[in-house]
Amino acid sequence: SQQGEEDPQALSIQEGENATMNCSYKTSINNLQWYRQNSGRGLVHLILIRSNEREKHSGRLRVTLDTSKKSSSLLITASRAADTASYFCATDATGGYQKVTFGTGTKLQVIP
Amino acid sequence: DTGVSQDPRHKITKRGQNVTFRCDPISEHNRLYWYRQTLGQGPEFLTYFQNEAQLEKSRLLSDRFSAERPKGSFSTLEIQRTEQGDSAMYLCASSFAGGRNEQFFGPGTRLTVL
Repeated sequence: SQQGEEDPQALSIQEGENATMNCSYKTSINNLQWYRQNSGRGLVHLILIRSNEREKHSGRLRVTLDTSKKSSSLLITASRAADTASYFCATDATGGYQKVTFGTGTKLQVIP
Repeated sequence: DTGVSQDPRHKITKRGQNVTFRCDPISEHNRLYWYRQTLGQGPEFLTYFQNEAQLEKSRLLSDRFSAERPKGSFSTLEIQRTEQGDSAMYLCASSFAGGRNEQFFGPGTRLTVL
């Protein structure tokens, strides 16, 4: 079963705009990760945020984590056409064997 | 190329046939994972190895599915008596124990069961 749910399911923006995706999950976690998947391909790891961190940056990516609300957000600033992809959050629950559970994904389209 | 590799990339088979997929993880990674992904969904966990030990299996992994990692390096996933519902992308990932569980994914094997 899917642990997380991303919101929105689909997002279409103009190049240069910012894109924000949200993820909600159900159980206590060790880490939360965001992955990108281009159409029909494998997943690429973007960023990992630990449960004791609240915000993390990597290039044009900004991730926040609110463990009290069991939610995270991924912000992509100054979007590019190459950012068009599906984005998934993934969590590994505390006490597990490092099994990572993926959400349902947000499909982002960046229009040139 | 030092990333995760999977073979084959595509497999078309007839219902009832057996298929086997191979995954070669990043060489220094001792954890290996198999996931299944259907269209429009996120990857679903199937099973996980640490070295050669299979530590967890999902309920999704029916008796027709078996995975091995005999020497703690490459892994195989076999599906016996395939059904049309097995059509999906099968993804392999690896990570390093003691790290932050950042998983590196292969390109996947797309299975089509006719």
